[in-house]
Amino acid sequence: AQTVTQSQPEMSVQEAETVTLSCTYDTSESDYYLFWYKQPPSRQMILVIRQEAYKQQNATENRFSVNFQKAAKSFSLKISDSQLGDAAMYFCAYLAGKLIFGQGTELSVKP
Amino acid sequence: GAGVSQSPRYKVAKRGQDVALRCDPISGHVSLFWYQQALGQGPEFLTYFQNEAQLDKSGLPSDRFFAERPEGSVSTLKIQRTQQEDSAVYLCASSPPMPDTQYFGPGTRLTVL
Repeated sequence: AQTVTQSQPEMSVQEAETVTLSCTYDTSESDYYLFWYKQPPSRQMILVIRQEAYKQQNATENRFSVNFQKAAKSFSLKISDSQLGDAAMYFCAYLAGKLIFGQGTELSVKP
Repeated sequence: GAGVSQSPRYKVAKRGQDVALRCDPISGHVSLFWYQQALGQGPEFLTYFQNEAQLDKSGLPSDRFFAERPEGSVSTLKIQRTQQEDSAVYLCASSPPMPDTQYFGPGTRLTVL
């Protein structure tokens, strides 16, 4: 069965700095999708970025980028130029028909 | 266009009451998912519809949980004889034909007293 692990329950970053959130997963599939979602206190789950496993190029969305290491089954999220609005819970997720989520990393941004 | 909507946003129920939670997916999305999120945890899968067909209900925790999507659009998650352990946020998501990105609604926070 597929599993997703986020080993950092909490992270903190200074405003305008860069932070990296870690995620590892386990699967025997060769083609799959990975996602990072952001969940602010409002509880709305917002898509941050998506990566298709067959694509070697790392996905980027403005200040958000991923480091996808397929062999290592690692999928980290880098947030550049952190802003106060980035403070939220971040979930890594693997798509196996349904989404399988990690435990989440709570990110705080210090002004 | 409009996103996924859910109602009610908040629901307080006395133990033993039945509740019904509604999800309106993005127009044209054939796939619809329900997830349960306990406090401080990641969401966990409950059930999946493709159009009106319920293709996977392996995540429903007990036979008190029932979901339907009769016309392949709006879905309702029903919980009978609610228990305190049912207290959670219930998230609905929809997507184009799988595999694809799932877009989430704002959730319904259920509190069972």
